Amino acid sequence: DAKTTQPNSMESNEEEPVHLPCNHSTISGTDYIHWYRQLPSQGPEYVIHGLTSNVNNRMASLAIAEDRKSSTLILHRATLRDAAVYYCILRDVGGAGGTSYGKLTFGQGTILTVHP
Amino acid sequence: DAGITQSPRHKVTETGTPVTLRCHQTENHRYMYWYRQDPGHGLRLIHYSYGVKDTDKGEVSDGYSVSRSKTEDFLLTLESATSSQTSVYFCATLASDTVNTEAFFGQGTRLTVV
Repeated sequence: DAKTTQPNSMESNEEEPVHLPCNHSTISGTDYIHWYRQLPSQGPEYVIHGLTSNVNNRMASLAIAEDRKSSTLILHRATLRDAAVYYCILRDVGGAGGTSYGKLTFGQGTILTVHP
Repeated sequence: DAGITQSPRHKVTETGTPVTLRCHQTENHRYMYWYRQDPGHGLRLIHYSYGVKDTDKGEVSDGYSVSRSKTEDFLLTLESATSSQTSVYFCATLASDTVNTEAFFGQGTRLTVV
């Protein structure tokens, strides 16, 4: 499976934008880029996903490099509630017409600290 | 929330005893998963299910078994608990395996084996 690399930790101030990078240099053409986050003492929750084009939703934006070897999760105005571990995950449709059964492979993620 | 309930939420058990963790979902999702989370390892997949009575192993399945007799319930059993199985266990569900679907996670079960 293609792997992702994220910084161990990042810090931000409240109400400032945050750019969380993810490198995935071995990404395949069928891999989708998914982001999840895990708030303290909770299970992970879905944030956003994309394939090639930049994506926006109510939680965040996802900027994908033209060569798809990296992506950036953008929180436009960080709040204290955004302090969490952010995971960048590649999801594959499965080879040769098969299925990956939706399995997620988590790395260490990026611990985001937001200062008041 | 996707209606995922894990029980118990906390459990302390002795080495060598059997333990069963339950995951119950109300979303009628086809796929269900058990992950464990340990410091320094992130979340790792233990077992997963792609339908009633259809299960398979994940990357850390040794010492664990699962059962899924109905869509809404996915049970994780530690046949003989060991201290290395002290962890936080998360259940997840997925409506379908297409890459556009999002997974939903439960709140976790903190298991301590003494």
